[in-house]
Amino acid sequence: DQQVKQNSPSLSVQEGRISILNCDYTNSMFDYFLWYKKYPAEGPTFLISISSIKDKNEDGRFTVFLNKSAKHLSLHIVPSQPGDSAVYFCAAMRAGSARQLTFGSGTQLTVLP
Amino acid sequence: GAGVSQSPSNKVTEKGKDVELRCDPISGHTALYWYRQSLGQGLEFLIYFQGNSAPDKSGLPSDRFSAERTGGSVSTLTIQRTQQEDSAVYLCASSLGGGSSYEQYFGPGTRLTVT
Repeated sequence: DQQVKQNSPSLSVQEGRISILNCDYTNSMFDYFLWYKKYPAEGPTFLISISSIKDKNEDGRFTVFLNKSAKHLSLHIVPSQPGDSAVYFCAAMRAGSARQLTFGSGTQLTVLP
Repeated sequence: GAGVSQSPSNKVTEKGKDVELRCDPISGHTALYWYRQSLGQGLEFLIYFQGNSAPDKSGLPSDRFSAERTGGSVSTLTIQRTQQEDSAVYLCASSLGGGSSYEQYFGPGTRLTVT
């Protein structure tokens, strides 16, 4: 049973446009959410996170939106750059517990020059 | 500063052999996690260490898998009698632990291939 789902395995976007990556979760106990970026042969790199007490968090070109009622979050990248091309993983945790991350299966983002 | 390091970066082993994978967390991080990513899959939690507390082993797939963390720093993941389904990238992560520090920082991983 996948508790964190990324239903789009791939996404292509033109350079300069907005990239929107989506993530859904089923476990209502999750209260902290993170996005990671992964290049081939490297470990995931932390990008941005959001607590369940918020609905938006912004850091430069990256914004994460959380809709708790829909159990949905999204990562917006604007403007998209070719260097953003990577696999993006959504992850969730229960902050009060052991804090292990439950990951989605990832979305391959390709930003076309 | 130095990030999380893992060794070896690649390991090829024959079915039935034991392997040890090593992780050096970021200095000062009290929490350490092991995950694995099988081909075409997301990352799967294996085990968690926090300070001197007993580890959370709830993600270990079988009793062939074990891990230890010496001195609250370096960790070793051991897989006994390896099977082909153990082939995966094994990732270690560390975090400050406690308080409101939730972000985990990952090493580059060890790619294990069981032939």
